[in-house]
Amino acid sequence: DQQVKQNSPSLSVQEGRISILNCDYTNSMFDYFLWYKKYPAEGPTFLISISSIKDKNEDGRFTVFLNKSAKHLSLHIVPSQPGDSAVYFCAASAGETSGSRLTFGEGTQLTVNP
Amino acid sequence: EPEVTQTPSHQVTQMGQEVILRCVPISNHLYFYWYRQILGQKVEFLVSFYNNEISEKSEIFDDQFSVERPDGSNFTLKIRSTKLEDSAMYFCASIARGWVNTEAFFGQGTRLTVV
Repeated sequence: DQQVKQNSPSLSVQEGRISILNCDYTNSMFDYFLWYKKYPAEGPTFLISISSIKDKNEDGRFTVFLNKSAKHLSLHIVPSQPGDSAVYFCAASAGETSGSRLTFGEGTQLTVNP
Repeated sequence: EPEVTQTPSHQVTQMGQEVILRCVPISNHLYFYWYRQILGQKVEFLVSFYNNEISEKSEIFDDQFSVERPDGSNFTLKIRSTKLEDSAMYFCASIARGWVNTEAFFGQGTRLTVV
């Protein structure tokens, strides 16, 4: 099941610079997209989401961009901080209600170096 | 801040034994989920539960699995006869509303080790 794919297993950036995490999807029924952050031995923590009717959503240092025609979304973190070091998961759901399952990508390990 | 809580944090069981994983979702939430993550793999959907019944389940969620909401607060996942390949982190999640896309809140997970 490769409906949501994160092609970069890891990303390393310097503190203060921009982190860009990418995600591709294949299922055109997906209409809601989320990014989660996960630390070891913890559950995923919600970061930011975007509905398919938008192409950008911003929350503080986090911005998610959605390109529906390319079936691609990205998460920008600027400026990056060492505390941002974690695994980032892209997730998507289909359907009009929030009861639909989430389909996750493989995750990208972000390391922010001081 | 309200949170989803899961117990136990780590469960070791012998193959063939039954296990029950427990979750207390956020109190005003309507939809409840179980996901799992086998080491090194993706987080995978198992089952969703709404209005006291299963609303959706994946192909992973076979007859060995069952879910229950025995009272107003707990949400449990039972595996009747565990197999080695059931070893994984199991995450409970809940969602507040049913008609507007909104984020799922996850618990900290239960690490199940089948030996």
